[in-house]
Formats: sequence, structure tokens, C-alpha cells
Amino acid sequence: KAGVTQTPRYLIKTRGQQVTLSCSPISGHRSVSWYQQTPGQGLQFLFEYFSETQRNKGNFPGRFSGRQFSNSRSEMNVSTLELGDSALYLCASSLDPHRAANTEAFFGQGTRLTVV
Amino acid sequence: DQQVKQNSPSLSVQEGRISILNCDYTNSMFDYFLWYKKYPAEGPTFLISISSIKDKNEDGRFTVFLNKSAKHLSLHIVPSQPGDSAVYFCAASDFNKFYFGSGTKLNVKP
Repeated sequence: KAGVTQTPRYLIKTRGQQVTLSCSPISGHRSVSWYQQTPGQGLQFLFEYFSETQRNKGNFPGRFSGRQFSNSRSEMNVSTLELGDSALYLCASSLDPHRAANTEAFFGQGTRLTVV
Repeated sequence: DQQVKQNSPSLSVQEGRISILNCDYTNSMFDYFLWYKKYPAEGPTFLISISSIKDKNEDGRFTVFLNKSAKHLSLHIVPSQPGDSAVYFCAASDFNKFYFGSGTKLNVKP
């Protein structure tokens, strides 16, 4: 069974640009969550999608947005990039935390975004 | 508002000894707790979990303890091996969302 796939692995962008990151969950998983990891901050929750609907949102500005497609693949978009957006962005998929509370999340390898 | 905290950013242990990683949480509604291990340039990988109805779960060298009254979670690794050197994240779930701690970097010295 293929794992969670994130593309691209590495990205360099300049301030003010926008970026789109992609995540393909494990087959059969319907929930996709996005996290930002920066040194010393752990994994900060961005948002969670289930059946093409955003169910949960973290405490990030509106420049961060996402969507989920009918095949459960998800994209995350960051507009008007700032230097502080440089981080590792991780995507995690799980079966459906609503229905099966004890399903762990499986992570992709992440996209390392550098804003210069 | 950090609902899950790992107060030790790093821990160094001799090979063969016990590693104890700690985690505290504030939300009594959390019903499921997990530990993840992360190597550099890789995503976190699931290690072990425990339901809020239990106080201990064991899987080989890894044991997770849950103290609900203290809102405290710990991961014991016995015996520790150099390959265990990684960043360990604890996480808690309130049924529809995962909250992660900031991680503890474990270094197991040969």
C-alpha cells in the first residue's frame, strides 16, 4: 500500500509569490490534515479536510488555504509569501477520525519551503 | 494556546539504558494519545498509541504510560539503541483533530 505522497519535496520562492503544495493520501483515507513544522514550534495544525470539506482550521492567516478533491487528494496554497513562511509542510492522512476515533495519522515526507 | 506540551527539548541517554520522554496536556477531553518519531528530512512515523481508557500500552521496547489525573503521558524505551536517536512528538486527539507537542530530540550514545 503506497504511503502519503507530497510534492514537491523542496521549493524555493521569493517574498510576495504564491505557492501550491500537493498531497496524495493513502488509498481509502478520506481525511487529510496539513501541518507546519518550524524549529522549536513542533507541528502547528493548519487545516483538515474530509470529503472535500474543510472540517477544522488552525490559527493561521487567510493567506493559507487548501482544498480537497473528490479522490481525496489535497492541495495547500500560500499566497503573498513571507520569510516566516519558510518551514516544512507536512500532510497527514487518516481513515476518518470522526467515525473511528482511534485511527492514527500517517504522514508524508513533507515539502520543505524556503522563502527568500 | 499549546494544549500538548513537551517541556524537554532534548534528552541524551547511554545505549542500553532507559529513555523516558514526557508530555503534558491540558484538555481533559482528549481521548487518544500517540507518539511519533521523526528523522531529519522525513515525515513523522507512528510509533505507539494509547486510549484514554487505559493507563499503559506496550509494544516491544516501547511502553506508553498515561496518567489522566495528572494529564501526563510518557514514553519509555528500554533498552535504548543508537537507532532510536530522533525527534519524538507526542500527540493527542479530541476525536476529530490531532494536537502535537513541540518535540523532544533524543540522542542515544553508543
